[in-house]
Amino acid sequence: NAGVTQTPKFRILKIGQSMTLQCAQDMNHNYMYWYRQDPGMGLKLIYYSVGAGITDKGEVPNGYNVSRSTTEDFPLRLELAAPSQTSVYFCASRTTLYEQYFGPGTRLTVT
Amino acid sequence: GENVEQHPSTLSVQEGDSAVIKCTYSDSASNYFPWYKQELGKGPQLIIDIRSNVGEKKDQRIAVTLNKTAKHFSLHITETQPEDSAVYFCAATLPHGSGNTGKLIFGQGTTLQVKP
Repeated sequence: NAGVTQTPKFRILKIGQSMTLQCAQDMNHNYMYWYRQDPGMGLKLIYYSVGAGITDKGEVPNGYNVSRSTTEDFPLRLELAAPSQTSVYFCASRTTLYEQYFGPGTRLTVT
Repeated sequence: GENVEQHPSTLSVQEGDSAVIKCTYSDSASNYFPWYKQELGKGPQLIIDIRSNVGEKKDQRIAVTLNKTAKHFSLHITETQPEDSAVYFCAATLPHGSGNTGKLIFGQGTTLQVKP
C-alpha cells in the first residue's frame, strides 16, 4: 500500500491564482480529511468527507472547496489565493476504528 | 465542543532519560486518544493510541496512560534516543453519533529535544 499520497510537494502561488491540491489513498477508507498547519502550530481541520459524494466543513473552510467523487481521491481547491493561505497542507484518511493516517504534506507559499 | 490542551510546549532531555507529555480534554464523552510524532518536513505519524475502556497501553519504549476521571492522558517515552527528537501531538475524538463524525481535535504540540 502507498498509503496517503499528496501532490505537489511544494508550490508557490501569486495572490489571486487558483490551484488544486491532490490527495489519494489506497486503503479503501471512507473518511478523509484536509488540515492546514501554520508554523509552530497544531493542525486545523479545513474540510472532511465521510464517503464519496459527502463532504462537510471543518474549523477553517473559508477560501477552500472540496469534492469527493471516488473513495480514493479527495482534492482541495484554493480559489483566489491569499497570503493567509500560506501553510503546509495535510491530507489524512481514517479507518473505521478511528486510526487516522496522514500524507507527507504540500508546502504552499502565496506571494 | 471538545478542547485539548497539551503541556509542555517544549521539552529537553538527556539521552537515556524519560520524557512525559501531558494532555487534558474537556468532553468526558471522548473515547479515542491518539499520539502523533511529526519529524521535520514530514506528515504526522501515528505512534500509539488508547481507547476509553483502557487505562494504559505500552509499545516497547512508549506508553500512554488515561485517567478518565481527571480527563487527562499522557505519553511516556523511556530510554530516550536522539531519533525521538520531533514534535509530538496528542488528540481526542468523540464517538460517532449526535452529529460527530470522529473528527480529531489536536493539542498544540510538544517539541521534544533529546540531547546526545
